[in-house]
Amino acid sequence: DVKVTQSSRYLVKRTGEKVFLECVQDMDHENMFWYRQDPGLGLRLIYFSYDVKMKEKGDIPEGYSVSREKKERFSLILESTSTNQTSMYLCASSFPSGGGIEETQYFGPGTRLLVL
Amino acid sequence: AQSVTQPDIHITVSEGASLELRCNYSYGATPYLFWYVQSPGQGLQLLLKYFSGDTLVQGIKGFEAEFKRSQSSFNLRKPSVHWSDAAEYFCAVGPYSSASKIIFGSGTRLSIRP
Repeated sequence: DVKVTQSSRYLVKRTGEKVFLECVQDMDHENMFWYRQDPGLGLRLIYFSYDVKMKEKGDIPEGYSVSREKKERFSLILESTSTNQTSMYLCASSFPSGGGIEETQYFGPGTRLLVL
Repeated sequence: AQSVTQPDIHITVSEGASLELRCNYSYGATPYLFWYVQSPGQGLQLLLKYFSGDTLVQGIKGFEAEFKRSQSSFNLRKPSVHWSDAAEYFCAVGPYSSASKIIFGSGTRLSIRP
């Protein structure tokens, strides 16, 4: 079974604090993704990475950065949190694009972040 | 542009009743289509996926979905729901761009009436 784990399930931070969210997958997937989930908006892609040290912006990258130093690990960084970053953050991983089963994304359990 | 629409924000059905969750998509070619389920406080779990071939796809937990190209739809069905099916359901389509990115619908929350 594919396993995607996230470092924290719940976090409470104050405005302006720095936050690291870490995601680890054990299936040797090349692709990794960070989403945020808000009621009524579904999942929105923040950043993704298709290889070590490679990253691309998703649909809502503002206020976020990422790091991928090892294949299995993808970190989301909030340099200076704001209240509008209160959300559920989901990490996912998949094999490279090439059609077929490789397109399936596997998700971690999520981190619920509250910024006060 | 690629997009996914789930027109029903919230649906309530009685336990044992049949279920159909709607999903419509806009995509320039033959899409890959997915349904995911999210239980409260959890991540997303893949229910089923369509890539090619038979347009009726069977998934886990007794769910199925039918790809209808003419209607640009991929509706999820279950003949008899159980209380444990209460969750949020997301339809997704992809890939887009150069990577395996997929677009998610806004979700349908399913409640089960005892």
